Amino acid sequence: LAKTTQPISMDSYEGQEVNITCSHNNIATNDYITWYQQFPSQGPRFIIQGYKTKVTNEVASLFIPADRKSSTLSLPRVSLSDTAVYYCLVGDIGNRDDKIIFGKGTRLHILP
Amino acid sequence: NAGVTQTPKFRILKIGQSMTLQCTQDMNHNYMYWYRQDPGMGLKLIYYSVGAGITDKGEVPNGYNVSRSTTEDFPLRLELAAPSQTSVYFCASSSPGTGPFYGYTFGSGTRLTVV
Repeated sequence: LAKTTQPISMDSYEGQEVNITCSHNNIATNDYITWYQQFPSQGPRFIIQGYKTKVTNEVASLFIPADRKSSTLSLPRVSLSDTAVYYCLVGDIGNRDDKIIFGKGTRLHILP
Repeated sequence: NAGVTQTPKFRILKIGQSMTLQCTQDMNHNYMYWYRQDPGMGLKLIYYSVGAGITDKGEVPNGYNVSRSTTEDFPLRLELAAPSQTSVYFCASSSPGTGPFYGYTFGSGTRLTVV
């Protein structure tokens, strides 16, 4: 499993765009990049997943450069309810023996 | 469709007591997992199962046991509770069609305190 590095914490204000970058220098060819979100007292929930370039859904966008050694989760116009911990995960989604290993994540705090 | 259901939500145990954390899913997922999360930390994998009758150790299996007799249920057993097992425990499941990194559904957690 590729090791990931992301900031421990970030602060932002309501209405702004927030970008959280994750480094994964030893990502393998078959690895995908997945982001999860965890609110206090809840289990993590899937946000977005990508392999290369850009992926967008109703919640976020994921930008992956050509070398795939990093990725950026972009949250448009955040609100107070986006305060949560965000986890960047890298692994082979086709490998049934692969398991999600969570790091400490990035604790995002949205201010009014 | 309830998803992943964990019981109990809260529990206080005395040192040396035992208990079983229950986890049930109604999505017909083959893969099931147990994680623990200490305050301010990420999740650590305790045990996982890729199907009924198959279980394997994760990162931190010591002090725990699991069984998987049915597709739906994946209970976690603590035999001799210790203060170091004070944590929030999450059960999760996923379908092999989507892979463990996608469509991972978590339960709401069990907050366990050992005193």
